[in-house]
Amino acid sequence: AQSVTQLDSHVSVSEGTPVLLRCNYSSSYSPSLFWYVQHPNKGLQLLLKYTSAATLVKGINGFEAEFKKSETSFHLTKPSAHMSDAAEYFCVVSERSSASKIIFGSGTRLSIRP
Amino acid sequence: NAGVTQTPKFRVLKTGQSMTLLCAQDMNHEYMYWYRQDPGMGLRLIHYSVGEGTTAKGEVPDGYNVSRLKKQNFLLGLESAAPSQTSVYFCASIAGGWGGETQYFGPGTRLLVL
Repeated sequence: AQSVTQLDSHVSVSEGTPVLLRCNYSSSYSPSLFWYVQHPNKGLQLLLKYTSAATLVKGINGFEAEFKKSETSFHLTKPSAHMSDAAEYFCVVSERSSASKIIFGSGTRLSIRP
Repeated sequence: NAGVTQTPKFRVLKTGQSMTLLCAQDMNHEYMYWYRQDPGMGLRLIHYSVGEGTTAKGEVPDGYNVSRLKKQNFLLGLESAAPSQTSVYFCASIAGGWGGETQYFGPGTRLLVL
């Protein structure tokens, strides 16, 4: 069985400071892992994904995430937050061999203080 | 190339009324999904389809029906709406069946059941 836990429901940082959004997963299979971003009243957009190649994955807008199998984690980071990063972020786990089993985390709302 | 579109954007129903939500994609994708998004719960899968003429139940299928008569369209029906179905509904699609593929999301339909 698969599951995903986003450890913080809300994270608030000052503009220009680092961002860390935490995600832990559980999977019986080799997983694919994703981070999606949702801006207010919009659909979801892919930030980045891990599918078994490099464990450090770079995404759009300066975000990156590292797949750590030993810690079953896939935390999202950004060195310097921008006001436009304010949004809801979802960590997602999928069984790599099948697109029928996709599990979403409950989301982390990122707020940016001026 | 419009991607994934959803109709309508917003709807208000009275308890017991019925309606159909339409999802359309122009990317020739095989897999399509219907999710509902509720505060603090992430996205939960209602139904999905792995190809034209096929549908399958997701995590929360009760009270919903779906049809995929054409590859590009995936319809979500509510036969007798209940207040518990007040939510934001998202449609998504994937090109094939591999779990590492990116999901493309529509902009969402906001449904209020009174």
